[in-house]
Amino acid sequence: ETGVTQTPRHLVMGMTNKKSLKCEQHLGHNAMYWYKQSAKKPLELMFVYNFKEQTENNSVPSRFSPECPNSSHLFLHLHTLQPEDSALYLCASSRPGSSDGSYNSPLHFGNGTRLTVT
Amino acid sequence: QKEVEQNSGPLSVPEGAIASLNCTYSDRGSQSFFWYRQYSGKSPELIMSIYSNGDKEDGRFTAQLNKASQYVSLLIRDSQPSDSATYLCAVTHSGGYNKLIFGAGTRLAVHP
Repeated sequence: ETGVTQTPRHLVMGMTNKKSLKCEQHLGHNAMYWYKQSAKKPLELMFVYNFKEQTENNSVPSRFSPECPNSSHLFLHLHTLQPEDSALYLCASSRPGSSDGSYNSPLHFGNGTRLTVT
Repeated sequence: QKEVEQNSGPLSVPEGAIASLNCTYSDRGSQSFFWYRQYSGKSPELIMSIYSNGDKEDGRFTAQLNKASQYVSLLIRDSQPSDSATYLCAVTHSGGYNKLIFGAGTRLAVHP
């Protein structure tokens, strides 16, 4: 299997549920990302991991909890979500860029998880 | 001011014409720039990356970068109906490590 794989593709959960989104990349990359895409809004960066270390948390509410056990896997743990959290959640990976932000490799996206919170 | 700005469109062009998509950004320190295409219900796919001022051509696509004007554009020559999609401009944030910020996208419609 190649590329970036996300599971599940669709998820419906109640506000009191706990669920997890999974992302796996087979590209040999060392950076992984979570983005949120809501209708008629830009892609919102949530979290960035470089070499398994979290380097960016874009003021994301604590009801979203990321986990990166190794450079190939990324999880997003969800609990007590709100209906406005319903969106497409996209995982991406890339080769490492430079830590001073002067260079970035392109991101490769998975197919996303369509999340509906009821 | 938004970090990455794009005209939402739709930009409507006839088949065979040149489509011109524009993007401006606010971070003067940005160094890496990307164009992605996103079909409805699908994830973004990379079209072009550009790092230096000037033009970069790849097939029917040309990316143009002007860092002094904080402007990046994408030209699509000989537009085809299959090019109809939303085009996303993405720019690195100079204050972050692999921090890539996306514009809201321009919807392109190519009509036969």
